[in-house]
Amino acid sequence: NAGVTQTPKFQVLKTGQSMTLQCAQDMNHNSMYWYRQDPGMGLRLIYYSASEGTTDKGEVPNGYNVSRLNKREFSLRLESAAPSQTSVYFCASSEALLVQEGTDTQYFGPGTRLTVL
Amino acid sequence: SQQGEEDPQALSIQEGENATMNCSYKTSINNLQWYRQNSGRGLVHLILIRSNEREKHSGRLRVTLDTSKKSSSLLITASRAADTASYFCATGAGSYQLTFGKGTKLSVIP
Repeated sequence: NAGVTQTPKFQVLKTGQSMTLQCAQDMNHNSMYWYRQDPGMGLRLIYYSASEGTTDKGEVPNGYNVSRLNKREFSLRLESAAPSQTSVYFCASSEALLVQEGTDTQYFGPGTRLTVL
Repeated sequence: SQQGEEDPQALSIQEGENATMNCSYKTSINNLQWYRQNSGRGLVHLILIRSNEREKHSGRLRVTLDTSKKSSSLLITASRAADTASYFCATGAGSYQLTFGKGTKLSVIP
C-alpha cells in the first residue's frame, strides 16, 4: 500500500518550458488536491478534484492546469513555467464521501521540488 | 489567503518537556486539523477536531478548540527528539478546501 505517490521528486526547468507533475493514490479516495509550499509559508491550494470527472480552482490556480485522469490519478501541468513557480508541490487525497467531508483528513505525497531558472 | 496563524513561529525545548503550539483563525469552521511535516517530507495528519468538540486526545497529543475565541492549541507531552518537525494547523469550512497556517517549527534538543 504505497499511499500517495508523486513523480518526479526533483525537476529543474528553464523559463517557458512545460512539464506535467504526476500523482497517484491507491486508497480508493474520491478527492484529490494539488498544493504548493513556499519557504516560510503554509500550503496553498492550486486545484482540487472533488470526484472523478470534476476539477475546481483553489487559491492560486493561475499558470496551472490539471487533469483527473481516473479515480487514482491527478496530474498538474505547467504550460509555460515561470520563476515564480519555483516551489515544492504536494499532491494529497481524501476519502470525502460527502461534500461536508471534503475537508476531512488528507493524505499527502512526498512532494516534487521544482526549480524554474 | 491563510486563515490559520500558528504561534510561536519557532519553539525550542529539551527532550521530556511539553510543547504547546497555538493556532488562531478568522472565520467559522467545520473542523480544525493539525499536521506534522518532517524536513523535506510531505505532511502527516495528526489529529482532527470538529467544531462541536472542545478537546481531543491521541497518544501524547492533546488538542483543544475554542470556537468563541477562534483558537486551538496542540500540546505534545513528554517530547522526544523525533518530534522535531514543523506543525501546521488547517481549517476546513465545509467545502473541499483546507486552509493551512504558516506553521510552528519545533526543535526538541536531546
